[in-house]
Amino acid sequence: QKEVEQDPGPLSVPEGAIVSLNCTYSNSAFQYFMWYRQYSRKGPELLMYTYSSGNKEDGRFTAQVDKSSKYISLFIRDSQPSDSATYLCAMSLVSGSARQLTFGSGTQLTVLP
Amino acid sequence: DSGVTQTPKHLITATGQRVTLRCSPRSGDLSVYWYQQSLDQGLQFLIQYYNGEERAKGNILERFSAQQFPDLHSELNLSSLELGDSALYFCASSGQGSMHEQYFGPGTRLTVT
Repeated sequence: QKEVEQDPGPLSVPEGAIVSLNCTYSNSAFQYFMWYRQYSRKGPELLMYTYSSGNKEDGRFTAQVDKSSKYISLFIRDSQPSDSATYLCAMSLVSGSARQLTFGSGTQLTVLP
Repeated sequence: DSGVTQTPKHLITATGQRVTLRCSPRSGDLSVYWYQQSLDQGLQFLIQYYNGEERAKGNILERFSAQQFPDLHSELNLSSLELGDSALYFCASSGQGSMHEQYFGPGTRLTVT
């Protein structure tokens, strides 16, 4: 079993829809939770990060972390065709200056105009 | 543009050969990370350097090695290449005060024939 599980999709929604992307994890020691967006054959782009449990909002994006359920989510409001990409969740432990990220497999999202 | 640069963009080589991938971190970032992205394994952490010293090691093969130089640029050396080493190799960097925020470069696409 992988440490981080993510539904690979593909997920297709109409423009303007609310998108919900999710990951589950098994390692309770993870403390930082990130969401990256990756366009085809490009480097992952950091969207948001959250420390421990709670919510964080940035424009049309909201990240939620529920450590008790080992479950994280990313919500995209008023989705746009430019949001079409692969979304990767990532998590890290904190051990001194070591910060390796463990990624989910990514969810491919298509927003239809 | 994340500020992380990687060269070359593409590399095609034969089995058994050795290649070197180069990464320049964002200005001021002390940490450099290397990741491998393949279709079957997803995005996997290889190794982290912090100010010239190795800080964390993932599932990096013994045929692979890396180093970070005094000017903070890093090189990933891949030797005795196999067909299965064909993948996208990403470098990421993070700052001292925000080590959980990793910014990725555009990647090097390695094809082993």
